[in-house]
Amino acid sequence: DAGVTQSPTHLIKTRGQQVTLRCSPKSGHDTVSWYQQALGQGPQFIFQYYEEEERQRGNFPDRFSGHQFPNYSSELNVNALLLGDSALYLCASAPVGKRTNYGYTFGSGTRLTVV
Amino acid sequence: SQKIEQNSEALNIQEGKTATLTCNYTNYSPAYLQWYRQDPGRGPVFLLLIRENEKEKRKERLKVTFDTTLKQSLFHITASQPADSATYLCALNSNSGYALNFGKGTSLLVTP
Repeated sequence: DAGVTQSPTHLIKTRGQQVTLRCSPKSGHDTVSWYQQALGQGPQFIFQYYEEEERQRGNFPDRFSGHQFPNYSSELNVNALLLGDSALYLCASAPVGKRTNYGYTFGSGTRLTVV
Repeated sequence: SQKIEQNSEALNIQEGKTATLTCNYTNYSPAYLQWYRQDPGRGPVFLLLIRENEKEKRKERLKVTFDTTLKQSLFHITASQPADSATYLCALNSNSGYALNFGKGTSLLVTP
């Protein structure tokens, strides 16, 4: 059973560019959350999607946006990239209503470098 | 402001000993607390979840305690092995939200 799949694994972008990261949740999971993890820090919550709607958002600017598709997969878009956006971007999935028992399943992340 | 604090110093212990990691929080009323393991360049892996009305939870060599009065959780790995070397993350969420809020993590190194 495949877990959470993220693509690409690594990405290098230039300041001011836009980037799209992709995530396929674990089979049977219908909520998708995105996190940003800077080096030496814990993951920071960006937002969560359920039923194709953003249902909670963390303290991130509007440059960060997302989408969830009918098959539960999700995209994270970041516009006008800044050097400070360089980080590991993690996708996490869970079955709705059951996350309290099973925790979240994380992907291996996309390492984004902005130069 | 809300804070989650974990041991800032790396923890080095000898194989076979018990590792104890600490997670302290302020200005939270968590419904539950989770512990994750993270290896370099990988995503966190869920280990254990403990609810606010539970004092202790065990899974194989792992034990978690949760003291909502002290606002502290302790994470124990008994009979530690070099393969346990990783960063361990504490995370809290509450009934009012879906976000997981993480500490910075504690790096554990188990030497033979």
